[in-house]
This record gives sequence, structure tokens and C-alpha cells, in this order.
Amino acid sequence: AQSVTQPDIHITVSEGASLELRCNYSYGATPYLFWYVQSPGQGLQLLLKYFSGDTLVQGIKGFEAEFKRSQSSFNLRKPSVHWSDAAEYFCAVGLMEYGNKLVFGAGTILRVKS
Amino acid sequence: DVKVTQSSRYLVKRTGEKVFLECVQDMDHENMFWYRQDPGLGLRLIYFSYDVKMKEKGDIPEGYSVSREKKERFSLILESASTNQTSMYLCASRLTGIEAFFGQGTRLTVV
Repeated sequence: AQSVTQPDIHITVSEGASLELRCNYSYGATPYLFWYVQSPGQGLQLLLKYFSGDTLVQGIKGFEAEFKRSQSSFNLRKPSVHWSDAAEYFCAVGLMEYGNKLVFGAGTILRVKS
Repeated sequence: DVKVTQSSRYLVKRTGEKVFLECVQDMDHENMFWYRQDPGLGLRLIYFSYDVKMKEKGDIPEGYSVSREKKERFSLILESASTNQTSMYLCASRLTGIEAFFGQGTRLTVV
């Protein structure tokens, strides 16, 4: 079965430090890949997406992610975290061969300490 | 501006009631989804639909059904609500090949 794994449930980083959130997927072909962010009490906002082409994609709010086919990974990075980045982050994969099914990981909660 | 609208933000229902959650999108998207969101479990797919009158089970369909009679509307039905269905329910829509757009969610409490 298709699955998305975010191995870190919680991550705490200091403001100004770099950040990497991990995401691995289990799927035979290359899926569409997404990162969403959800601030407390808010809806889901798209950070970035990968469909094809350059494996390093840039998103909003200074985030980027790199697709590594050999590792089935799509890790999210930010060079310098701001306190406003504290939120929950979800990785998702879109599966064309399964009726456009969209599967999410369990999420990673980011805490930022000053 | 894209818009996915869920009919209620908060809902309280009694055990055994039949519950309807409605979702409407104005973007002419063919694909629509219902998820439930629980702490530590992320978004779990209940059902999705890739066309009018078409539906597919997601990962946790038990206790739920759906209806898609018109392209813009996707309804989630809890045939007999139970306390373990207390959750946040999120509706989403997308065109094939692009990202999904989400509604604001319905927080359902079953008492």
C-alpha cells in the first residue's frame, strides 16, 4: 500500500537555526510531492510542490525541498528559522495511478525557541 | 480566488444520529477528498471522488459514505455517528496534476 512517513513527530529548533524535516514515501513510480503547513487554528497552506524537472524546488516563506528518487525522499529545509514558522508540517504524495489519490504523512510539529 | 467551502465549522451530534458534512468547490475540479485529522495521525483519507457519481474508498472508510451528484459538491455521511468519529474533518479538491485546496474544516463532536 502507498504510504508517507514523517519520522519526526516533534522538532524543536532555535530561532535562526537551520531546519530539515524528513519525508519518505512508498510508491512504485514517481508521485507528485507536496509540503503543506498548518498554523494553530488555521487551514492547510501549500508551501511547495514537485511534479517533474529540477529536483530542488523553492517554495514560499523561504522553504525549499529536494526530491531524491534513490531514497524515495522529499525533505523540507529552511536555512534560518523564524518564530513564526512554528506550526505543523505535512508531506503529501499525489498518485496518478490510483484515481488521483492524495496521501498525507502524520505530520511534524515544529517548535521554535528564542 | 480558489474556494472550498465546508458547510459548518463546528458541529455537535448525538450518538446514533445520521450526520451530513457538505463541501462545495467553485474551481471546476474533478477530484474531491474527505479526510479526518487527529493529533499524531495526520490527515487520513476517508473517501475520494475523481468524477461525478464516482467514489473510491480511502484508508479509513468504515462508518462513512459519500455522495457526489454534482461536480462542485461532495458530501460525507456518517450513517450512525459514534464517539470515535469525533474529529476534525477536512474537505479538499484538486485538478489532476496540481495541488489540493482545502476547506477550513469541520470540527465534529459526537456525544
